[in-house]
Amino acid sequence: AQKVTQAQTEISVVEKEDVTLDCVYETRDTTYYLFWYKQPPSGELVFLIRRNSFDEQNEISGRYSWNFQKSTSSFNFTITASQVVDSAVYFCALSGNTGKLIFGQGTTLQVKP
Amino acid sequence: GAGVSQSPSNKVTEKGKDVELRCDPISGHTALYWYRQRLGQGLEFLIYFQGNSAPDKSGLPSDRFSAERTGESVSTLTIQRTQQEDSAVYLCASSLVRRDEQYFGPGTRLTVT
Repeated sequence: AQKVTQAQTEISVVEKEDVTLDCVYETRDTTYYLFWYKQPPSGELVFLIRRNSFDEQNEISGRYSWNFQKSTSSFNFTITASQVVDSAVYFCALSGNTGKLIFGQGTTLQVKP
Repeated sequence: GAGVSQSPSNKVTEKGKDVELRCDPISGHTALYWYRQRLGQGLEFLIYFQGNSAPDKSGLPSDRFSAERTGESVSTLTIQRTQQEDSAVYLCASSLVRRDEQYFGPGTRLTVT
């Protein structure tokens, strides 16, 4: 069975702090994809990143970075120098051969000014 | 270009009535997915269409739920004899091909009274 666990339900930080959102996954597929989505208060899900299971290189995009470690089945997301606009619910998701996404329960990030 | 659109944005219905929710995917996207998001929770997969292949209905919670897709265009999710537990936001997503990143519509908020 496939499963995604986001153990942090809510995180609150002060602007300019760095914050890491944890994601642990379970799958028996040898080929799979990992995703992060952002859901701001408006409700619409915004795609952030897709990572192939064969590519363990870390990725950086501006203030965002992702750390993929197959050895620990984790795909963590770090926001550097957080801003109020980063306040949202962040979802980690997994897809196997079928393409359907299995989502974690989400982490609510609140960035205070 | 145009994103995924869904209609209606909000639907209030009485228990026992049938409802139809519509999704217009991004033009050219062969894969289309329906998900459900209950209040404060993650997304649950419902059904997936890929081209002319038989749909993956493994996530439909009961036989009251059904969906259709005409070719690679519009999809309709139908819920018959609605129950209060059907109240949720129903999200549609499309991707160029399966396992690609999925782009989500704004959702239909369904309230069953």
